[in-house]
Amino acid sequence: DAKTTQPNSMESNEEEPVHLPCNHSTISGTDYIHWYRQLPSQGPEYVIHGLTSNVNNRMASLAIAEDRKSSTLILHRATLRDAAVYYCILWKYGNKLVFGAGTILRVKS
Amino acid sequence: GAGVSQSPSNKVTEKGKDVELRCDPISGHTALYWYRQSLGQGLEFLIYFQGNSAPDKSGLPSDRFSAERTGGSVSTLTIQRTQQEDSAVYLCASSLGGSYNQPQHFGDGTRLSIL
Repeated sequence: DAKTTQPNSMESNEEEPVHLPCNHSTISGTDYIHWYRQLPSQGPEYVIHGLTSNVNNRMASLAIAEDRKSSTLILHRATLRDAAVYYCILWKYGNKLVFGAGTILRVKS
Repeated sequence: GAGVSQSPSNKVTEKGKDVELRCDPISGHTALYWYRQSLGQGLEFLIYFQGNSAPDKSGLPSDRFSAERTGGSVSTLTIQRTQQEDSAVYLCASSLGGSYNQPQHFGDGTRLSIL
């Protein structure tokens, strides 16, 4: 299965943009790139997903490299409520999401 | 609207007892998933239901684990003869379909502690 690589942790200041990177050099043509986040004591929450083109929604933006070997989740203005573990996942086939260790995002006020 | 509901939110039981964990998916969602998350670990897939198809049980760690989904809605995960290594948060998710273009919506889980 294709793997993703994310930094263990990142830190941001409140109200500043945050760029969370993800490398997925073995991605195949049918892999969708999904991002979820998990706040303390809660289940994961869907953030955004995409295949080839950049995507925007009310929570975030997803920038996908032209060769699709990397992507970046962009939070335009970080708030304290965005402090969470962010997971970048390739959803290829079958029926399960394979979660890695994710990136712990800390937001400073 | 109502999200995925799991009960109980916490369960403490003695080693060797059987436990049942319940999941109420979002209405109209045909796909239902169970995962577990051990302390400090990532999420581990357990089982997947999609409509009337045979479930994908490939993630169940042993034959002590089983799950069913009645009427295409509510699901129950059963762990027999619980052991201490079964202590974890058990998470349920549902999605509109089984396609990887559909996001999964998670409940807040059942925290299971085996004494």
